[in-house]
Amino acid sequence: QQQVKQSPQSLIVQKGGISIINCAYENTAFDYFPWYQQFPGKGPALLIAIRPDVSEKKEGRFTISFNKSAKQFSLHIMDSQPGDSATYFCAASSDSARQLTFGSGTQLTVLP
Amino acid sequence: DTAVSQTPKYLVTQMGNDKSIKCEQNLGHDTMYWYKQDSKKFLKIMFSYNNKELIINETVPNRFSPKSPDKAHLNLHINSLELGDSAVYFCASSQDRRLAGRKETQYFGPGTRLLVL
Repeated sequence: QQQVKQSPQSLIVQKGGISIINCAYENTAFDYFPWYQQFPGKGPALLIAIRPDVSEKKEGRFTISFNKSAKQFSLHIMDSQPGDSATYFCAASSDSARQLTFGSGTQLTVLP
Repeated sequence: DTAVSQTPKYLVTQMGNDKSIKCEQNLGHDTMYWYKQDSKKFLKIMFSYNNKELIINETVPNRFSPKSPDKAHLNLHINSLELGDSAVYFCASSQDRRLAGRKETQYFGPGTRLLVL
């Protein structure tokens, strides 16, 4: 059973545009929602994370929006750059789970 | 300084062989993981060790056996390799959530690309 659903599977954006990736979760015990970025040939690396006590977190061009009632969260990349081209994974975890549950990934391509 | 390192980076082998992948972390973390990433990029957790104790053992064929000689190392041994084992295997580490407060980032190694022929 996939507990974190991610969409879209792939996304193509023009340079300077906004990239939006969405995730939905089922387990209401989840209390930590990170996004990981993976470049080709590399391991995933933490990009930004949010906890459900806030509805938005911004770090530079990257923003997480969180909707607890809808059990959804999304990653917004403002002013997308070709260097942002990578695979993005949302994830969720809780104390009892003791592990990260990853979404299926979104391959982002930013065209120059 | 490499935080999480894996060897080898590439592994090409014949069906039926036995192989091992090694992982080391120098972050002082308590918890280590093995993930499998398939050709569609889906990341699936296989095992997790906390202070050398197995805490997560997902539905993985028993041909896969993790071994943690100490907190800084988690190796993965695979017996009787099959074509379907071809994937990228990632090791990761994190501080124990119960001890880390809000610092529970997982740090991934560079991956081991396994190809079974």
